[in-house]
Parts: sequence; structure tokens; C-alpha cells
Amino acid sequence: TQLLEQSPQFLSIQEGENLTVYCNSSSVFSSLQWYRQEPGEGPVLLVTVVTGGEVKKLKRLTFQFGDARKDSSLHITAAQTGDTGLYLCAGRAAGNTGKLIFGQGTTLQVKP
Amino acid sequence: NAGVTQTPKFRILKIGQSMTLQCTQDMNHNYMYWYRQDPGMGLKLIYYSVGAGITDKGEVPNGYNVSRSTTEDFPLRLELAAPSQTSVYFCASRNTGQGVTGELFFGEGSRLTVL
Repeated sequence: TQLLEQSPQFLSIQEGENLTVYCNSSSVFSSLQWYRQEPGEGPVLLVTVVTGGEVKKLKRLTFQFGDARKDSSLHITAAQTGDTGLYLCAGRAAGNTGKLIFGQGTTLQVKP
Repeated sequence: NAGVTQTPKFRILKIGQSMTLQCTQDMNHNYMYWYRQDPGMGLKLIYYSVGAGITDKGEVPNGYNVSRSTTEDFPLRLELAAPSQTSVYFCASRNTGQGVTGELFFGEGSRLTVL
């Protein structure tokens, strides 16, 4: 059974602070995605990482895929209130391109 | 394009009743998924399909059934509804092939309450 463990599950910070969210597994993934979800809506893709050690930047968000393709991190610099939401990592199993599983999510609250 | 359309958006069921959540997509995506999401939590995979006529179990398939007779439609059937099935259900689809990101496109969700 593949599991994706996200930490922390809940994070409340002040605007301007930095934060990192982690997504870990004992399984190898062929790719890993990060989604952001707002209340009452479906998740929306932020990024896909495919290569071990890969780093991608999306404005103030930096995503990293672990060298062994078992873990990933999302770092937000100078958080803004608009970053508030549920952040989800999702992994596609190596050898099974169909199955896509999600972590339990990190709820981020950025206070003004 | 409408994308992924789910119906109904809201439904209240009594224990033991059955119902079908409908999902259709107009993007000609091969892969389709059903997830459930409990409050403040991530998504749990119920069933998925890699093409018409092919379905497979996800993490939490018990109490549910699916079929995929066409590329467009992927209905989720609940037989004998139980309170534990109270949740928000999301249908999603994705494209495959070289050069695609593998992005999941989600419907707006169906909120189901079993009393």
C-alpha cells in the first residue's frame, strides 16, 4: 500500500513569514504533483515534478522532488493572505501510470 | 468546453438507499477518477479507469461500484448507503501521452449526506 504523508497537517502563520510543507513516502513515484484547493472547489494543479532532485519555482513557491523520488517539499517565501488554502501532494506510482494517490493535505492559514 | 461535470451537487440519502453519482467529461481524456474527501482532509481514491471498459480499485472501494462504457462517462454507484459514506465526492479526468503534464481536471464535487 502506498502512502503519502504530509506535514504539518495545519499551519497558521503571519503574512510575510516563510514556510515549508513536506510530502513523504516509502514508495518511489514516477512523478509528483502539488495542488491547491479552496473551500467549495476542486483542487487545482500548481506543479508537476518528474526527475529526482528537480526544483521548480512558481513565483514565491519553490517545489523540490527528492533525489530518490520518494519525497517532495513546497516552500513559500513571504506568505500572503491569498496563499491561504489546502495544499495537497499527489503521487503517481512507478509502474502504474493510472493510479494517483493524494496525501492528507496541509491546511495553511495566513493571517494579515 | 464544460470540462468535468458532476451531478447532483447535493444529495441527502437515508441509510440503505442507493444512488448513482454522474460524471461526464468532454475533453476526450482516457483516465478518469473518483475520490472522496472528508472535512479538512485529502482525497482518497475510490476507483479509477484508464479507458472505456477498464476500471480498477483505489484505496477505499468498499461500498461503491463503477462502470466505464464510454470515454465520456464514469458513474459511481452507491448501494446500501451508510453514514460512513457521508463525504464530498470528486470526479476527475486527465490526459495522457508525451508532452502532457498529467494534470487532473476536477469537477465541482458532489456533497452527499447519509442520515
